[in-house]
Amino acid sequence: QLQLQESGPGLVKPSETLSLTCTVSGASISSSNYFWGWLRQPPGKGLEWIGSFSYSGSTNYKPSLKSRVTISVDTSKNQFSLRLISLTAADTAVYYCARASEFAYWGQGTLVIVSS
Amino acid sequence: QAGLTQPPSVSKGLRQTATLTCTGNSNNVGNQGAGWLQQHQGHPPKLLSDRNNNRPSGISERFSASRSGNTASLTITGLQPEDEADYYCSAWDSSLRDVVFGGGTKLTVL
Repeated sequence: QLQLQESGPGLVKPSETLSLTCTVSGASISSSNYFWGWLRQPPGKGLEWIGSFSYSGSTNYKPSLKSRVTISVDTSKNQFSLRLISLTAADTAVYYCARASEFAYWGQGTLVIVSS
Repeated sequence: QAGLTQPPSVSKGLRQTATLTCTGNSNNVGNQGAGWLQQHQGHPPKLLSDRNNNRPSGISERFSASRSGNTASLTITGLQPEDEADYYCSAWDSSLRDVVFGGGTKLTVL
C-alpha cells in the first residue's frame, strides 16, 4: 500500500525559507515511472499545484512560483523535498505531497503558517 | 485564482443525481482531459476519476466522468450523505505549462 507522509516546521517567519520532506513507503521513487510532487491549499481555499518531478529527470514547476521553488530527491531514503524561499503570509497553507501522476495518492498534509 | 471554472455550489436531494461541471479551454480540458478529486473537510483530496475518465480501484460506480469539448463533467448518482464534500477538477495546461485547478464545487446533499 503506497503511503506518503509530509514532515517539516509548522511555523516559519516571513522572508525565511520553508523546507518540507515527503517520505514515501510502499513503492520506490526511483524504480517507478510516475511523477511525484507538491501541492498546497490555503485555509478555506482551493488547491494549487507547486511542482512535480519524475525520476527519469523531468521536473516542472508552477510558473508563478518557479523563481522560489526547488524540489529535490533523496533516493537512499525514498524521500523528496520542497524548498520555498522568501516566504510571505500568502504562503500560509496546508502543504501536500502526492504521487502527481493523476494525483492518485496523497499525504495527510501539513499546515505551514508564515508569521513573525 | 482558478484556471478552470466550476460552479461554487450545487445542492441536490438524497438519492438524486448531481452533475458537476468544469470548463476550461483547448489548451487544458479540451486537449488533456480533466481529473476529479473529492475532498471532505479536514482530509486530503481523493481521486475519483483520472483525465481519461477512469475510476481508480475502490471508487463507487455511482461516480462517472465525461468530457464534451472544453467542459468536463462528473455525475454522481444515488446521492448519499457521505457525498457531501468539495469537488475539484484539474488539468495540465499545455500552453501555460502549469497544472490548473477549478475553484471547487461544494456539493450539499439535502
